[in-house]
Formats: sequence, structure tokens, C-alpha cells
Amino acid sequence: QVQLQESGPGLVKPSETLSLTCTVSGYSISSGYYWGWIRQPPGKGLEWIGSIYHSGSTYYNPSLKSRVTISVDTSKNQFSLKLSSVTAADTAVYYCARVMVRGVADYWGQGTLVTVSS
Amino acid sequence: QSVLTQPPSVSEAPRQRVTISCSGSSSNIGNNAVNWYQQLPGKAPKLLIYYDDLLPSGVSDRFSGSKSGTSASLAISGLQSEDEADYYCAAWDDSLNGFYVFGTGTKVTVL
Repeated sequence: QVQLQESGPGLVKPSETLSLTCTVSGYSISSGYYWGWIRQPPGKGLEWIGSIYHSGSTYYNPSLKSRVTISVDTSKNQFSLKLSSVTAADTAVYYCARVMVRGVADYWGQGTLVTVSS
Repeated sequence: QSVLTQPPSVSEAPRQRVTISCSGSSSNIGNNAVNWYQQLPGKAPKLLIYYDDLLPSGVSDRFSGSKSGTSASLAISGLQSEDEADYYCAAWDDSLNGFYVFGTGTKVTVL
């Protein structure tokens, strides 16, 4: 059974960089699929952040592209998200997911709340 | 930023049928498959329908998806209290360098 678990700081200061890691178990990242990040501000809808293939190929949401970096570490079976210059608007539950072709997310982590506040 | 439009809410009595619409454009729904996600309160989203009308293993066949042109629909038949949740459509958008876009979301209430 594929399982994903997000980890990282729950509180980030404005203007700093948000960093999260997703650890995958039950499936080797190197075996295929894309691996993605999605977020959901409190009380609002879902927003796709981006995804990465094990080879390093990435797709990013155009509205976040200038601030986002997604990377993969196949040796640890993990992938990571960095979002720079955060503001209160980046406060959200961040989910990691296994992604099929064209964005279909078939396995999701439980999500982790990241609050941007001084 | 969502370019897929859904009604904010729909409600129906138990055992009835409800449909949720999702309206997009030629760059997303018109040219790519539509997927649907169910998000129960306080939980992570769950893939409900993919590639327009396919059900992942374990998903009840009370759920069905369809697409026509630049619009798609999710139907839930035999509505049950456990179906009360938020539902999101999603599709790949070919504009710019390509990205995935979610719908605005629909809250389903079982009366």
C-alpha cells in the first residue's frame, strides 16, 4: 500500500522560505509516476502547486512558479517543496501526492498545516 | 485562480440522485480528461473519478462521471449521509507550459 507523509515546520515567518518533505513508503519513487504538492488555505479550495518526475522533470503552477522549487531524493524515497518569500496568503494545509499522467493524484498524504506568521 | 467553475453547494434527500457540474474551457476540459475528488470533513482529498468516467478500485459505483465539450458532471445516485463532503473537479490545462487546475469545489449536503 502506497503511503505518503508530509513533514516540516508548522510555523514560518513572513518573507522566509517554507520547506516541506514528503516521505513515500510502499512504492519506489524511481519506479515511475510524478510526485506532487497541493495546498488548501483554511476554509478554501484546493490549489495545485506542482509536480516532479523521478528524473527531475517538473511542472509548476504558473502563479507560484517564481517562488517554488520541487526536488526529489530517490535514495531516501522522498521529495521536497520549497516556497520562498512567503506571506500570510501562503498559510494552508499542504498535501503531497502520487501523481499519474496529467496531474491525477491517486494517493495523498494526510496533510500538514503551515502557518505564516511572525 | 481556478478556471474550473462549480456550483458552491447542492443538496438532496437520502436515496435521491444529485449532479455536480464543472465548467471549463478548450484549454482544459475541452482537450484533457476530467478527474473528481471527494474531500470528507477534516480529511485529505480522495480520487473519485479519473479520465472522465473511470472509477478507482474501491470506489462505489453510485458515483459516475461524464463529459461533453468544455463541461463535465459528477453524479451521485442513491445518496447517503456518508456522501456529505466537498467535491472538486480537476483537469490538466494546456496553456502556458501546462499545469493542473482544480475546480472551485461543491459542498454536497444530504438533507
